[in-house]
This record gives sequence, structure tokens and C-alpha cells, in this order.
Amino acid sequence: AQTVTQSQPEMSVQEAETVTLSCTYDTSENNYYLFWYKQPPSRQMILVIRQEAYKQQNATENRFSVNFQKAAKSFSLKISDSQLGDTAMYFCAFMKLYNFNKFYFGSGTKLNVKP
Amino acid sequence: EAQVTQNPRYLITVTGKKLTVTCSQNMNHEYMSWYRQDPGLGLRQIYYSMNVEVTDKGDVPEGYKVSRKEKRNFPLILESPSPNQTSLYFCASTRLAAYNEQFFGPGTRLTVL
Repeated sequence: AQTVTQSQPEMSVQEAETVTLSCTYDTSENNYYLFWYKQPPSRQMILVIRQEAYKQQNATENRFSVNFQKAAKSFSLKISDSQLGDTAMYFCAFMKLYNFNKFYFGSGTKLNVKP
Repeated sequence: EAQVTQNPRYLITVTGKKLTVTCSQNMNHEYMSWYRQDPGLGLRQIYYSMNVEVTDKGDVPEGYKVSRKEKRNFPLILESPSPNQTSLYFCASTRLAAYNEQFFGPGTRLTVL
């Protein structure tokens, strides 16, 4: 079975600064997808960024970028120029290629952005 | 608007009283799932469905049932709820395109007394 580990239960960052959230995963698969989801106080799950394992280039979406290290099975999320609206729970998730129903989630990291 | 809807959003009930949480998607997605979210555990999959009349257990199926009689609907049934099923529940549907993104419903907060 796949496991996803987020070792930081809670983090804080000052507005406008940069913060990195960690995620590691365990799998014997070679092809898979990785995701970061954001859950604000509204509880809605929002996709932040995604990465295909066969792509070496790290994904970037505006202020959000990832550092994908396949050999180390690491998938960290970097948030640049943090904003108050980034305050949320962040979940890392893993999905095997073509196994569309099986998403494995980490336990989450609560990010507090302070003014 | 493309969306996944769940009802009710909040529910307080008592042990043993059967309940159903509805889930509906308007995106014609084949794949749908139910998750429960508990503090420190993240989201864990309860059941999933690959198409009409095709369902299978996820990681924590005990105490739950599902059905998929129509493509758009995927209700979650608790026939005899217990306090350990107090949780936040999410329904999700999956788009079979690049990146296989899951679309989530707004969540249902269930309390079983």
C-alpha cells in the first residue's frame, strides 16, 4: 500500500514571506501523480498544484511551486509571497497512474499566515 | 456550473438511526468516491465507484454502504450509525483527463450522539 507522510502538523509564516511544506511518500510504483490540496476554513478542498512523476520539471502555479525529488520520494510545496488567504490546511496526495479511484492523502499541515 | 453537491451539510443524529448523505455531480464523471476526514488522519477513502452499478471498498468501509444506480448520484448510507462515525465526509468525482483531478463536494459534518 502507498503511504503519504506530512511531518509538520502546523506551521506559521509572516505575510509576504516564503514557506515550504514537506511531504514524503512510499511507493514501489514508477508512474504516478502527486497533488497538493488546500482546505481553507470553509472546508472546501481546492487543488493547488499537481505533478506527474515522469516529468522531471517541477510544476509551478503562480506563487506555488513544488520540489519533486523522485529518488528521495519527496514532494514539497513552496508558497512564495504568502498571503493571508493562504491560511488553510494543506494536504499532499498520491495517485497511481490509471488507478483513478485510489487517492492516498497525508495527514495535513495547518498553515497560519500572520499579518 | 460544474460542481459536486452534498446534502445535508450538517447533521446531528443518534446512535442507530439510519441516515443517508446524498452526493450528486453534473460533470458526467465516471468515477466517484467517499472520504472521511478526521484530525491527524487526513482523508481516508470509504468506498468508490467506477461506473453505474460498479462499487468497491476503500480503506475504511466498515459501517457504510453505497449505491450507484445513476451516473450522477452516489449516496452514502449509514444503516446503524455509531459515535465513531462522527466525522467530516467528502464526496468526490474524478475527471478522466490529463492529471486526473478530483473534484470535491463541500463536505458534510456528521455528529452521532
